[in-house]
Amino acid sequence: EVKLVESGGGLVKPGGSLKLSCAASGFTFSSYGMSWVRQTPEKRLEWVATISGGGSYTYYPDSVKGRFTISRDNAKNNLYLQMSSLRSEDTALYYCARHEGTTATFAYWGQGTLVTVSA
Amino acid sequence: DIVLTQSPATLSVTPGDSVSLSCRASQSISNNLHWYQQKSHESPRLLIKYASQSISGIPSRFSGSGSGTDFTLSINSVETEDFGMYFCQQSNSWPQTFGGGTKLEIK
Repeated sequence: EVKLVESGGGLVKPGGSLKLSCAASGFTFSSYGMSWVRQTPEKRLEWVATISGGGSYTYYPDSVKGRFTISRDNAKNNLYLQMSSLRSEDTALYYCARHEGTTATFAYWGQGTLVTVSA
Repeated sequence: DIVLTQSPATLSVTPGDSVSLSCRASQSISNNLHWYQQKSHESPRLLIKYASQSISGIPSRFSGSGSGTDFTLSINSVETEDFGMYFCQQSNSWPQTFGGGTKLEIK
């Protein structure tokens, strides 16, 4: 059974930093692309970052490029999202998601970890 | 960025009705359109990939159609467990984007 468990969310002040983790199990982690997707308080879904199975390729939208870094440790089956220069608009529930094969679909999702950016 | 517009925003239906949800893209995305269901207090779940391809474990009453800019998710005979939010997502070009969602509610 595919399982994704996020952690690391919390309350942080504007301009601060936070690192999210996602523990993966039930599949060969290194074989799949992984992403972070967030859901805003208004329930809108936003793609945040993607990393290839081997970790060589990463992709970001302009809204987080230069502030967020996605990484993975295939030996530990962990996915990470390092977030810095946080803004109030980064407040959201952050989901870890596994792609389906080599596709760009989000086939499996974790339960999410909440990040609140507020003074 | 490609904008996905979902309509209607809310759809009120009676169990047993058949419904169609729309997702329109601001430019052609071929068939690179996927559908997700999100029930209250749950994570999204992939329902349909590449506009019309079924997903293992998803009931056959869910089907998708369309290509280019206009896409439809159809639910044949809605069941009570189907109520919730539905989102479309495009993977044709970066950044990947989602539609604003359609809420399927009980009439």
